[in-house]
Amino acid sequence: AQSVTQPDIHITVSEGASLELRCNYSYGATPYLFWYVQSPGQGLQLLLKYFSGDTLVQGIKGFEAEFKRSQSSFNLRKPSVHWSDAAEYFCAVGAVDFGNEKLTFGTGTRLTIIP
Amino acid sequence: EAQVTQNPRYLITVTGKKLTVTCSQNMNHEYMSWYRQDPGLGLRQIYYSMNVEVTDKGDVPEGYKVSRKEKRNFPLILESPSPNQTSLYFCASSPGTSGSFYEQYFGPGTRLTVT
Repeated sequence: AQSVTQPDIHITVSEGASLELRCNYSYGATPYLFWYVQSPGQGLQLLLKYFSGDTLVQGIKGFEAEFKRSQSSFNLRKPSVHWSDAAEYFCAVGAVDFGNEKLTFGTGTRLTIIP
Repeated sequence: EAQVTQNPRYLITVTGKKLTVTCSQNMNHEYMSWYRQDPGLGLRQIYYSMNVEVTDKGDVPEGYKVSRKEKRNFPLILESPSPNQTSLYFCASSPGTSGSFYEQYFGPGTRLTVT
């Protein structure tokens, strides 16, 4: 079965600084990969996705992520964060598990932005 | 506006009192799913439905029931709630077709407290 690891529970960055959130997955084949963002009191919103092709994918709100097969990673990046980026971020892998096509989520990384 | 709606958004109830959380989507999606979100555990799938009258268990189905009588609705039923079902619940839907299956759209969440 597939799994997702987000090693950082909580990250704090200064407004305007760059950001990288880590995500590692475990799956026997190339999975579908996703990043979702959950703002306080809100549902999850899809930031970006990787299905195939170019390993650097662009998403909404200025985010990008890079798929590295050799490292089983799909890290999320943003060159300059804004206070409105404070939220919880979830990495997810989409794969077939016992005949069920499902999304498996990591445990999330909470991002705090300081002025 | 394309959306997934859930009701109620907040619910406090007592142990053993049956409750239903409704979920509705207006995107004509085939696939719908329920998740619960708990601190440190991310999102875990409770039940899913590939289409009308087709439902199956996810990772944590114990204590929950679902039904899918219409394409747009997928209610979550707790026949006899217990305190360990205190959680934040999300409904999600997706087109369910190849390549788009994993692009799930999430509702705003229902925060349930069972005392």
